[in-house]
Amino acid sequence: DAMVIQNPRYQVTQFGKPVTLSCSQTLNHNVMYWYQQKSSQAPKLLFHYYDKDFNNEADTPDNFQSRRPNTSFCFLDIRSPGLGDAAMYLCATSRDHNPYEQYFGPGTRLTVT
Amino acid sequence: QKEVEQNSGPLSVPEGAIASLNCTYSDRGSQSFFWYRQYSGKSPELIMFIYSNGDKEDGRFTAQLNKASQYVSLLIRDSQPSDSATYLCAVTTGANNLFFGTGTRLTVIP
Repeated sequence: DAMVIQNPRYQVTQFGKPVTLSCSQTLNHNVMYWYQQKSSQAPKLLFHYYDKDFNNEADTPDNFQSRRPNTSFCFLDIRSPGLGDAAMYLCATSRDHNPYEQYFGPGTRLTVT
Repeated sequence: QKEVEQNSGPLSVPEGAIASLNCTYSDRGSQSFFWYRQYSGKSPELIMFIYSNGDKEDGRFTAQLNKASQYVSLLIRDSQPSDSATYLCAVTTGANNLFFGTGTRLTVIP
C-alpha cells in the first residue's frame, strides 16, 4: 500500500499559470518535506513542515509556497511558474525530523510550456 | 556552504563484479551519511546510512566512512543488472536536513 502519495504524477502548466501539487501520507508522520529535483541534479530541499511549523530554506524562491491543512496533506503552490521550474517535485515524510527514516513519494513531474 | 560531491559517471561494471561509488562532503559538521538508490523517473530509496567511522555491511552493500578525509563510499558486491540506477549520497548536519549529491549513474552489464 502506498504510504506517501503524490498527485498528479504528471502536471503540465503554462508559463505564469499558478499550479498546485498535492502530497498525502498514511504514516501519520509529523514532518513533511518538499524537494525539487531537476534533470541530472540533486534533490534540493525547498521547505518542510514540522507539525504546523513551516520551515523555509533560505534560497527557496518566493514563487514557491506551501500549505499543510492537516497532518496527512501538504500542498506545494507555484504562483507563477517559469520554464526553469520544470522539474520533479518530491514529497517526503519522517517522524520527528528523523533523517534515518525519510520516506519519499513517487514524485510529480512538472512541465512548463 | 554545504557541498556533496559525486562523480556523475556513468560507472559501468560487469555482472558479478564489485561496484565502488564515492562521495566527498565539505561540511566537517556533517553527522550522518546516507546512500539512496534512484531508478530513472522514480523517487529515491534509502539503501544504507552510516554515522560512525569505519565500515557498515548490509547484505551485498557496504558503506565506508572516513570523517577525517570527509569521504564516504558504497561498495556493491556481486553487482546485478537490477542494481543499475543512480546512487545519491546525502549528508545531514545539526538541522537534520538532507543535502544530496548529484548522484553517480551505475550500469551493470550482463
